[in-house]
Amino acid sequence: DAKTTQPPSMDCAEGRAANLPCNHSTISGNEYVYWYRQIHSQGPQYIIHGLKNNETNEMASLIITEDRKSSTLILPHATLRDTAVYYCIVRVVRTGRRALTFGSGTRLQVQP
Amino acid sequence: AAGVIQSPRHLIKEKRETATLKCYPIPRHDTVYWYQQGPGQDPQFLISFYEKMQSDKGSIPDRFSAQQFSDYHSELNMSSLELGDSALYFCASSLVGTASGNTIYFGEGSWLTVV
Repeated sequence: DAKTTQPPSMDCAEGRAANLPCNHSTISGNEYVYWYRQIHSQGPQYIIHGLKNNETNEMASLIITEDRKSSTLILPHATLRDTAVYYCIVRVVRTGRRALTFGSGTRLQVQP
Repeated sequence: AAGVIQSPRHLIKEKRETATLKCYPIPRHDTVYWYQQGPGQDPQFLISFYEKMQSDKGSIPDRFSAQQFSDYHSELNMSSLELGDSALYFCASSLVGTASGNTIYFGEGSWLTVV
């Protein structure tokens, strides 16, 4: 699976949008971009995933560049409960059984 | 909605003892994954099972073994425990071949402390 690069940490003011970037310049055509987050010592929580189109759900939006070499996770109105480590992961889904490989992630601190 | 259930949530063992962690996947999910997360580290993939057969193998020590049973629950067996095995162990599950892109869902983890 392609390697990802994320900033180690970011701050965001409560109520503002949090934009978390991820570089995956070696991504292959059959790899999806997944985002998970882990609130302190809890199980990683699925947020969103996409292949090449932008995606939105009740938690967040995922913007993938046209060349698919980078993406941005957007939390539209960050709250204190969004403080967590956010992981961007690329994964081949075709076989359906491939595990997730976690990198270092971005530690997001939402400030009151 | 039902989630991945792990037991026990907390376990304390002495060095050289054996520990067994159990995982009950989301109903109808056919794939189970095990992860280990040491203090201050990111989750590391250990092993996975699909339809009761080993599917992928990560950095699982030889002292560890796992299996998936006919009811799809899985157990991770850890023998000759070492202090360095103290970690949070996550189980996750997914359903192959779905429109959801085979999303993997995690349990809340089992804390293992080796003393």
